[in-house]
Amino acid sequence: AQSVTQLGSHVSVSEGALVLLRCNYSSSVPPYLFWYVQYPNQGLQLLLKYTSAATLVKGINGFEAEFKKSETSFHLTKPSAHMSDAAEYFCAVSARHTGNQFYFGTGTSLTVIP
Amino acid sequence: DAGITQSPRYKITETGRQVTLMCHQTWSHSYMFWYRQDLGHGLRLIYYSAAADITDKGEVPDGYVVSRSKTENFPLTLESATRSQTSVYFCASSAGQGAGDTQYFGPGTRLTVL
Repeated sequence: AQSVTQLGSHVSVSEGALVLLRCNYSSSVPPYLFWYVQYPNQGLQLLLKYTSAATLVKGINGFEAEFKKSETSFHLTKPSAHMSDAAEYFCAVSARHTGNQFYFGTGTSLTVIP
Repeated sequence: DAGITQSPRYKITETGRQVTLMCHQTWSHSYMFWYRQDLGHGLRLIYYSAAADITDKGEVPDGYVVSRSKTENFPLTLESATRSQTSVYFCASSAGQGAGDTQYFGPGTRLTVL
């Protein structure tokens, strides 16, 4: 079975500081991993995804994530936070034997302090 | 390029009433999904559909009914609404090319059951 754990339901960073949002997954087979962002009163937008190519994945808005099999992690980072990064972030996992079903984490709310 | 739309965006109803949430996509995607989003639970899959006339249960299907007579539409019906079904509902679609396929989300419907 697939599952995702996002450590920290709320994260606060100062503007210009490093953003680190944690995601650990559980999967019995090679996973596909996704990060989505949700701005207030909007749907989810794909930030980036890992599909077994390069382990360091670059996404939109300066975000990137690194797939670490040994740590079963897929943490999301951004070198310098902007005020516009304030949003809810979701990590999701899927796998070949689950077809197109995603399993989402509970989300991390990012606050950026000016 | 309308993408994926949901209607209504906001709905208030009473316990015991039937409610239908609409989802429409213009990409001719094979797969469509319904999720509910609740605080502390992230997104949970209600039902999904691999093609017209093919639907299957997700994690939390009880109290919901779906149909898919046309590829572009995937309505979700609450046959007798309960207060526990107060939530934000998201529809998503994907091309269905495999487990690493991106899901694209609609803007959501905020449903309140009194």
